[in-house]
Amino acid sequence: DIVMTQSPDSLAVSLGERATINCKSSQSVFYRSKNQNYLTWYQQKPGQPPKLLIYWASTRESGVPDRFSGSGSGTDFTLTISSLQAEDVAVYYCHQYYSTPYTFGQGTKLEIK
Amino acid sequence: EVQLVESGGGLVQPGGSLRLSCAASGFTFSTYSMNWVRQAPGKGLEWVSYISSTSTIYYADSVKGRFTISRDNVNKSLFLQMNGLRAEDTAVYYCARDGSLDFWGQGTLVTVSS
Repeated sequence: DIVMTQSPDSLAVSLGERATINCKSSQSVFYRSKNQNYLTWYQQKPGQPPKLLIYWASTRESGVPDRFSGSGSGTDFTLTISSLQAEDVAVYYCHQYYSTPYTFGQGTKLEIK
Repeated sequence: EVQLVESGGGLVQPGGSLRLSCAASGFTFSTYSMNWVRQAPGKGLEWVSYISSTSTIYYADSVKGRFTISRDNVNKSLFLQMNGLRAEDTAVYYCARDGSLDFWGQGTLVTVSS
């Protein structure tokens, strides 16, 4: 199984400042024949289902503000929020769908400092 | 607009059974793979099962042999038959589209308790 490890577990950032969340997979999730990383990022607010933010590690889902960006390849990935807004308070998860069992990171709780 | 609506959750005793349903609309259901993902209270996300558009199926080890995923492309529905339920199966169960899990339903709560 591919183990996904996020860091940090929690993060407090001032409004307008940058937030960075890391995700490391225990093996590569780069699908060579598709030339894509099978890595997604989700945002989950209390009482709501997760919302897709980023797919293929760096492609922003339609309607997602451009302050959200994803980077990385292979085994190391980063979600960056360039200028934190109050509505970004949530838990963020990375997820690999390179192989089953699909797996998630443990989540990173983002709060306002 | 893509919509996924789960139903069928509830309170069940250990060892009991439940059948979850997910009604899909707003997209060509038959061409997409579908998944069940669960979230225990206060915990993270756990993938449960996958079914492809052609009914290739995978399960998490934690549910293999107890849960059965199926789909009805005519009625645009996804199902999860859960047998031999345990306390640790208590969770909100979400259906989600595609391997990328690009759309999720609101979830249905399954509580396993005596």
